[in-house]
Amino acid sequence: EDKVVQSPLSLVVHEGDTVTLNCSYEVTNFRSLLWYKQEKKAPTFLFMLTSSGIEKKSGRLSSILDKKELSSILNITATQTGDSAIYLCAVEFLNRRSNYQLIWGAGTKLIIKP
Amino acid sequence: DGGITQSPKYLFRKEGQNVTLSCEQNLNHDAMYWYRQDPGQGLRLIYYSQIVNDFQKGDIAEGYSVSREKKESFPLTVTSAQKNPTAFYLCASSPGLAGYQETQYFGPGTRLLVL
Repeated sequence: EDKVVQSPLSLVVHEGDTVTLNCSYEVTNFRSLLWYKQEKKAPTFLFMLTSSGIEKKSGRLSSILDKKELSSILNITATQTGDSAIYLCAVEFLNRRSNYQLIWGAGTKLIIKP
Repeated sequence: DGGITQSPKYLFRKEGQNVTLSCEQNLNHDAMYWYRQDPGQGLRLIYYSQIVNDFQKGDIAEGYSVSREKKESFPLTVTSAQKNPTAFYLCASSPGLAGYQETQYFGPGTRLLVL
């Protein structure tokens, strides 16, 4: 059965700390791995990763994919209270109807204390 | 402003009642999706539609129905057959299913509660 597992499920750190969030997957017909941030309602897109070993960066956030280990990490450096959110990992795969579909992890709830 | 709107923000359902959640987009996207989000779980796909007048079941379609009569609109009906409907429902759209899913945009969601 296809699945995406995120860890930890929740994390509390202080402002200025660096955090690493993990996402591992078991999916047939893998196409890409995506990270989203969900603050209150709608998830917003952060990164899409397709190739192993290539880091994507956006400001203090970065992410990398390891296809050999079937996993990805999302790093946030110098955390701020505005980084508090649920971080969702999703994997895109080809379903049995030959359509591309996303399967989602449960998310990591990140709380940044001032 | 382009985007996806969902209504209502909160919805209360009585026992045995069907309720319909609205989703509208003005992004000119072909594909639309409905997800359910429960605490401690990831988003789960209920239904998706690649094009007008066509839709496919996702992983948890039982107890739900959809229609896609217009490109902009993809309403979801939660029927009385859905025994545990309390959840947060998210609608999304993307230019098409063939493209990378990074271009999946989400609406603000509807929280459904059972009375």
